Amino acid sequence: GENVEQHPSTLSVQEGDSAVIKCTYSDSASNYFPWYKQELGKRPQLIIDIRSNVGEKKDQRIAVTLNKTAKHFSLHITETQPEDSAVYFCAASITDMRFGAGTRLTVKP
Amino acid sequence: GAVVSQHPSRVICKSGTSVKIECRSLDFQATTMFWYRQFPKQSLMLMATSNEGSKATYEQGVEKDKFLINHASLTLSTLTVTSAHPEDSSFYICSARAAQGTDTQYFGPGTRLTVL
Repeated sequence: GENVEQHPSTLSVQEGDSAVIKCTYSDSASNYFPWYKQELGKRPQLIIDIRSNVGEKKDQRIAVTLNKTAKHFSLHITETQPEDSAVYFCAASITDMRFGAGTRLTVKP
Repeated sequence: GAVVSQHPSRVICKSGTSVKIECRSLDFQATTMFWYRQFPKQSLMLMATSNEGSKATYEQGVEKDKFLINHASLTLSTLTVTSAHPEDSSFYICSARAAQGTDTQYFGPGTRLTVL
């Protein structure tokens, strides 16, 4: 089955800096790659997603890139703000979704 | 936007009792619902996939007789944790997908289960 690896497990940046989280997946048939933000005790919130026919997608300060050949995808957050602090999960999906282990992002004011 | 609710949000029960968790899609019909379990500081682990009107598909290592899933309508799926034990204490989250061929899953707010 699909296996998703996510790095780093923790990331601390200064407010205004950029943050990058990387994921790799194992099943080349995966065709949908969402990123979720989860605050403590809350539901995961979809922040951006990308499909396998697209290499890059951007939404304001958030961007995702996908390299199908290498089977990896990355989340980029620019101009980070303290409210970006949360746990971020990547996922890869064919019919069901497999999650990475998560990255705890801390943005220091 | 698509809204998924879950009830109860928090439950505390004694060891050996059964607990039912409901997951509802409020403003769309969900052909497929998913149940996840999340232990503290860990990722979401898929437990099972349920399609309306058919039996759930369980992930390897998840006991189907312990975690009973019913998806009787296009807006409701239930997870029953039977004979709960302390090791079943976890955060249970459901998600719903609107239709075949769509990718986006909408998550419920989760249920915090504590088994004493």
